Amino acid sequence: DIVMTQSPDSLAVSLGERATINCKSSQTVLYSSNNKNYLAWYQQKPGQPPKLLIYWASTRESGVPDRFSGSGSETDFTLTISSLQAEDVAVYYCLQYYVTPRTFGQGTKVELK
Amino acid sequence: EVQLVESGGGLVQPGGSLRVSCAASGFTFSSHWMSWVRQAPGRVLEWVADIKPDGSEKTYVDSVKGRFTISRDNAKNSMSLQMNSLRAEDTAVYYCARVMSGGFWDAWGLGTLVTVSS
Repeated sequence: DIVMTQSPDSLAVSLGERATINCKSSQTVLYSSNNKNYLAWYQQKPGQPPKLLIYWASTRESGVPDRFSGSGSETDFTLTISSLQAEDVAVYYCLQYYVTPRTFGQGTKVELK
Repeated sequence: EVQLVESGGGLVQPGGSLRVSCAASGFTFSSHWMSWVRQAPGRVLEWVADIKPDGSEKTYVDSVKGRFTISRDNAKNSMSLQMNSLRAEDTAVYYCARVMSGGFWDAWGLGTLVTVSS
């Protein structure tokens, strides 16, 4: 199975400041035949299901604010929140969907400083 | 609007059985792979099972193979997960999720809690 490791486990950010979450996969999730990274990012708030933010590593889901962006390739990925808002307090997960079983990172909790 | 609504969760004893269901609306259900994904209390999300649009192909995480069965009824826009020989470690919120081209999930239900305890 592909192991997804996120860092940090938690971070506290002031309103309006940048938040950066990293995700590392134990093997590449870049499919060479289509040059796509099979990597997605989700946001989960307490008592709610995960919400899709980013797929193909950098494609923002419809309706997701443009302060959320994804980058990276092969084994190293980053989710950036450019200017943290109060409603962004949540746990963020990366997901690889390159192979079965699809696997998630352990989550990164983003809090307000 | 895409809607996925799970039902059927509850408390069951170890070794028991339970069936959870998912009612879908707002999209062409018969065109999509569908999945069950679970999340144990305070734990990471875990993919459980997939089913092809026509129901002809099913895949499972190793830990549930032989115990869980995924099924769907496209005429009723519904999907189910029959869970047998339940263990304490199966305790989780079970989410129904729609699979998009490539394999990621773009829509999730609110989940149904399954608790396995004596």
